[in-house]
Amino acid sequence: DIQMTQSPSAMSASVGDRVTITCRASQGISNYLAWFQQKPGKVPKRLIYAASSLQSGVPSRFSGSGSGTEFTLTISSLQPEDFATYYCLQHKSYPWTFGQGTKVEIK
Amino acid sequence: EVQLVESGGGLVQPGGSLRLSCAASGFTFSSFDMHWVRQATGKGLEWVSGIDTAGDTYYPGSVKGRFTISRENAKKSLYLQMNSLRVGDTAVYYCARAYGDVWGEGTTVTVAS
Repeated sequence: DIQMTQSPSAMSASVGDRVTITCRASQGISNYLAWFQQKPGKVPKRLIYAASSLQSGVPSRFSGSGSGTEFTLTISSLQPEDFATYYCLQHKSYPWTFGQGTKVEIK
Repeated sequence: EVQLVESGGGLVQPGGSLRLSCAASGFTFSSFDMHWVRQATGKGLEWVSGIDTAGDTYYPGSVKGRFTISRENAKKSLYLQMNSLRVGDTAVYYCARAYGDVWGEGTTVTVAS
């Protein structure tokens, strides 16, 4: 199985900060990676697909990059509504696996 | 409007069975792979099963042999038959389309005596 190691597991940041979250795959997954945002009590929402493609309707301050084994999700200027937990998902091969999540909290 | 609506959750004793359903609307259901993802309270997301358009099925080791995913394209419905349930299967179960672009609101499964 492909393991997805996400870091950090939690972080504190201020409005306006640039935030970077990393996911590392235990083996190459090309660009078969998506990023999700989940707010408390809400359904996960896809932000990025194919590692770097922005989901329709998602603000352009979100971006994704990477290929192979290392991937990043960047929020260029953190907004109040961005405080949430973020997950990566590899869908290169079954079983699909999520990263353990990164909780972004208000500093 | 593209929508997924899960049902069938509830309280079941360890060792028991439950069948979840997911009703799709607003898109050509038969053209998409479909998945179940679960989340225990306070925990992360866990992919539980997937079925492609040809009807081939996929599972992680944690549920293989106990859970069965199926689909009925004529009814635009996805199912998850869960047998030999364990306390650790307690979670909110979501159905999701393809690579997670559409999710349902989830249905809660509680396994307890």
